[in-house]
Amino acid sequence: DAGVTQSPTHLIKTRGQQVTLRCSPKSGHDTVSWYQQALGQGPQFIFQYYEEEERQRGNFPDRFSGHQFPNYSSELNVNALLLGDSALYLCASSADPGGTQYFGPGTRLLVL
Amino acid sequence: AQSVTQLDSHVSVSEGTPVLLRCNYSSSYSPSLFWYVQHPNKGLQLLLKYTSAATLVKGINGFEAEFKKSETSFHLTKPSAHMSDAAEYFCVVSVGDKIIFGKGTRLHILP
Repeated sequence: DAGVTQSPTHLIKTRGQQVTLRCSPKSGHDTVSWYQQALGQGPQFIFQYYEEEERQRGNFPDRFSGHQFPNYSSELNVNALLLGDSALYLCASSADPGGTQYFGPGTRLLVL
Repeated sequence: AQSVTQLDSHVSVSEGTPVLLRCNYSSSYSPSLFWYVQHPNKGLQLLLKYTSAATLVKGINGFEAEFKKSETSFHLTKPSAHMSDAAEYFCVVSVGDKIIFGKGTRLHILP
C-alpha cells in the first residue's frame, strides 16, 4: 500500500517565478492538506481540499492556490515567488476532513 | 480557539535513559491529540494519537503518551532512549477539522 507521495523532491526557482507541487494521497484517502515548514519551524497549515473544493485555508496570501483532481491527487501552486517562500512543503492525506493525517516526504523549495 | 505549547525546544538525554517531551494544549471542545516525529530531511511520521478512548496511548517504537484533562497535558514518554530516537517531535491538537502544530521539540541522544 503506497503512502502519500510528493513530487518533485527538490526544486530551485528564482524570485517572481511560479511553481507547481504535486501530491498523491494514501490509498483510500479523499482529503489532502498542504503545509509549509520553514527551516527550524513547525508546519503551518496552508489549505485543505476535499471533494475537489478548498474547504479551509490558513493565513497565506492568494499567491498560494491549489487544486484537487477527481482521483483525489492535488497540486499546490505558488505564484510570484518570494525568497521567504523557501521551505519544505508537506502534503498530508486523510480518510475524511477531520481524520488522522498521514504525511508525505515533502518537497524542498529553494527560491533564489 | 485551540492552541498547543511544547514546553521545551530542546531536550537532551543519554542513551538508555527515559525520555519526557512535554506538551500542553488549550481547547474549548474535546480535542484529538497527536504526536508526530520528523527525522532530518524527512516528512512527518505519526507516533500515536488520542481520540477520547483510553487516556494512556501506546505508539510505535516504544513511545506512549498520557492524556490528562485536569492538567491539559499530553506528554510523550519512552522508558529507554535509543540513538535512532534523535529527531524533531511535534505535538498536534485537532478539533473538528482544525489542526494546530506545536513549534516542536528537538530530542538529542547522548552516547
